Amino acid sequence: QMQLVQSGAEVKRPGASVRISCKASGDTFSSYYMHWVRQTPGQGLEWLGIINPFGTATSYAQNFEGRLTMTRDTNTLYMDLNNLRTDDTAVYYCASGFYQFDYWGQGSLVTVS
Amino acid sequence: EIVLTQSPGTLSLSPGERGTLSCRASQSVSSGKVAWYQQKPGQAPRLLMYGASRRATGIPDRFSGSGSGTDFSLTISRLEPEDFAVYYCQQYGSTPRTFGQGTKVEIK
Repeated sequence: QMQLVQSGAEVKRPGASVRISCKASGDTFSSYYMHWVRQTPGQGLEWLGIINPFGTATSYAQNFEGRLTMTRDTNTLYMDLNNLRTDDTAVYYCASGFYQFDYWGQGSLVTVS
Repeated sequence: EIVLTQSPGTLSLSPGERGTLSCRASQSVSSGKVAWYQQKPGQAPRLLMYGASRRATGIPDRFSGSGSGTDFSLTISRLEPEDFAVYYCQQYGSTPRTFGQGTKVEIK
């Protein structure tokens, strides 16, 4: 069983960047593909991207190409989102698994205002 | 991109009743790669089903899933108080992974 603990809430200005972290414990983090998903009241759940277990390959949703960077180290996943807009205000979740999303972090609220 | 449409938007049921949630895809989902998640207020989604019909670890057998191609469903055979929540379907047969807009199961 994997536990994923995310960093805290952030408030950013439009045009700024944000980094969110997701620390894993309880299972072999290096075996898992990892994802970022966000949730907004208006758009529901939206998949952002995936990174392979080695951190050597990523795939991003087209809407986030050029703004999103996913990286990982021994036990932590990171998401960097730049050039923030007000409609990036959302709860951001990390999740593990190649196919279905087996484990989720608790979510990190990012407010862009 | 595969668009998933869930129906109904809200399902009003009493504890002990049976509920069926629908998820329709805009195109065929490869190999039945559909998952269902349950989300309660203030919590992250929790995996219920994957591969359209396989229960995730620890999920009670009152939850069942079925479907193939473009039509999938989640059935809760007898609603327990803890089952009132929002349910999302998701396809992972193609990129981008996409979610339905959710069905809220509320107490009647």
